[in-house]
Amino acid sequence: KNEVEQSPQNLTAQEGEFITINCSYSVGISALHWLQQHPGGGIVSLFMLSSGKKKHGRLIATINIQEKHSSLHITASHPRDSAVYICAVLGGGADGLTFGKGTHLIIQP
Amino acid sequence: SAVISQKPSRDICQRGTSLTIQCQVDSQVTMMFWYRQQPGQSLTLIATANQGSEATYESGFVIDKFPISRPNLTFSTLTVSNMSPEDSSIYLCSVERDWGYGYTFGSGTRLTVV
Repeated sequence: KNEVEQSPQNLTAQEGEFITINCSYSVGISALHWLQQHPGGGIVSLFMLSSGKKKHGRLIATINIQEKHSSLHITASHPRDSAVYICAVLGGGADGLTFGKGTHLIIQP
Repeated sequence: SAVISQKPSRDICQRGTSLTIQCQVDSQVTMMFWYRQQPGQSLTLIATANQGSEATYESGFVIDKFPISRPNLTFSTLTVSNMSPEDSSIYLCSVERDWGYGYTFGSGTRLTVV
């Protein structure tokens, strides 16, 4: 079974700061997802990665398959980026996604 | 990409009762996934629901406790039966979009059992 670890668990930063959230997993995967969960519980899919790097607006996601590691970066962070960011992997013997516990991000104005 | 309508968004239920959560998708999908997120924990897959066959349950989850219906390719329900306070969680349904576009999630059902 894949073990998905995220760091940090909690992160508080000032508006405008560059944010990095890390994710590592234990078993080879076919894809990795970055998700954003809002306080009400709803989840939005941000990225799906199988290699390299993707960028969408101020969000950048990278993955290193050899090192079993991915990072999510937020540039010019804003209070509306405050949410829980979850890393999830597909593959490694499990049906569906295996999730990390999430990183609780707070951006202060 | 698919849009999911999940209901109810939240509920407070008495111990020993049951709650049925519904997910309606605006397009036909083969597989629907049901997840549970206990407080402070990561999402955990409960079961995978295919239309026309029995749902496939993950270890630790059983049909008697979490019966699932999948009557057609756009709809599914998850029932949390004989609830106890330990069932207080967020429950989410999800479908896979076309390959390469990730997953779409329902808005979640926040369940509190008292």
